[in-house]
Amino acid sequence: SSELTQDPAVSVALGQTVRITCQGDSLRTYYASWYQQKPGQAPVLVIYGKNRRPSGIPDRFSGSSSGSTSSLTITGAQAEDEADYYCDSRDTSANHLLFGGGTRLTVL
Amino acid sequence: QITLKESGPTLVKPTQTLTLTCTFSGFSLSTSGVAVGWIRQPPGKALEWLALTYWTDDERYRPSLKSRLTITKDTSKNQVVLIMTNMDPVDTATYFCARSNYDTSGDGFDIWGQGTMVTVSS
Repeated sequence: SSELTQDPAVSVALGQTVRITCQGDSLRTYYASWYQQKPGQAPVLVIYGKNRRPSGIPDRFSGSSSGSTSSLTITGAQAEDEADYYCDSRDTSANHLLFGGGTRLTVL
Repeated sequence: QITLKESGPTLVKPTQTLTLTCTFSGFSLSTSGVAVGWIRQPPGKALEWLALTYWTDDERYRPSLKSRLTITKDTSKNQVVLIMTNMDPVDTATYFCARSNYDTSGDGFDIWGQGTMVTVSS
């Protein structure tokens, strides 16, 4: 498969839990990485591998995977989590990378 | 401290060739597991992976743009160069370079440059 599909927009009430999903055939084989991007800024890696967080990323961010769907969960969403979130992964051939179309998270 | 910075023209004309340079510090592209990639983002749109060069000299390109892209590295200068030929207005985007280090970020890009905006217009 040559696509990763994300919902365009998701909203969450302040302090609640939100799951952002990424679907693609390649996710049956490869882990997704997740990035947070705020307006005018470069993306920031928040999850990679099997639910691993880079240094400095709050533990309210977690990742999971089931079948062809990978998920980013924010437990206790904060106002500063409002951003665009992108997944990426290898394609099924492992020769190329793919980005999802991005999900805009609104914290209400 | 690990940093990457993109440089190149801000404006190119249609059909021209774009050359972007990513100058990095704090790591070596000769180290096992390290790669540097180029990703772009048209205004208001999603991220789009373009090309990747590995510590092994292996290179990968976005299939739909492969004929127009060349990625090269100079490990002595800590630079990675992206060349894109036959530029078109649809190539107007912010171009980012980013590092991947399998040991610390798997296949993810853990450090990004600030990005450079390239406009294609006559």
